[in-house]
Amino acid sequence: EVQLVESGGGLGQPGRSLRLSCAASGFNFDEYGMHWVRQAPGKGLEWVSGITWNSGSIGYADSVKGRFTISRDNGKDSLYLQMNSLKSEDTALYYCAKRVANGWGLDHWGQGILVTVSS
Amino acid sequence: QSALTQPRSVSGSPGQSVTISCTGTSSDVGGYNSVSWYQQHPGKAPKFMIYDVNKRPSGVPDRFSGSKSGNAASLTISGLQAEDEAVYYCCSFAGSYTLIFGGGTKLTVL
Repeated sequence: EVQLVESGGGLGQPGRSLRLSCAASGFNFDEYGMHWVRQAPGKGLEWVSGITWNSGSIGYADSVKGRFTISRDNGKDSLYLQMNSLKSEDTALYYCAKRVANGWGLDHWGQGILVTVSS
Repeated sequence: QSALTQPRSVSGSPGQSVTISCTGTSSDVGGYNSVSWYQQHPGKAPKFMIYDVNKRPSGVPDRFSGSKSGNAASLTISGLQAEDEAVYYCCSFAGSYTLIFGGGTKLTVL
């Protein structure tokens, strides 16, 4: 059974940093692209960042480009999101999601981790 | 990177069919056959419903179907059931390993 478990959220101050982690199990992590998607309270889904299986291709939403960095450690079956220069508008539930094999879609999602940016 | 356009809400009675539209541009929806759809119930993580415009993952009822024409994609739900009441999001590949979501559509089963 595929499991994605996010951690590292919590309260962050504006301008400071937080690092999210996503522990994967139940599938060959090193064969799949992985993504971060966030959802501000009461709002819709917003794609944040994605990374291919070998970190060869990486993409970011304009809203986080230059501030957030996605990375992965295939030896540890883990995905990361380094969030720098935090803004209040980064407050959201952050989901880790796995890309479907041989197509474009996110077939498994974690339960999400809440990040609150406030002084 | 502007969000794909979806209607805020749609509704239908049990047994009826509803269609949710998702409009983008030639840089996303129109440029790739890579539209996916997600169902989200309150307080839950999104559920994967459709990918690559019209492919259904195992376990998703065949009442759910997807299509695309030009810069617009659609999700059709036939034989509406009470449990289909949820928010539905479309998503498209937009080049350079980026994705873009729609704003979400609240489906009400009357």
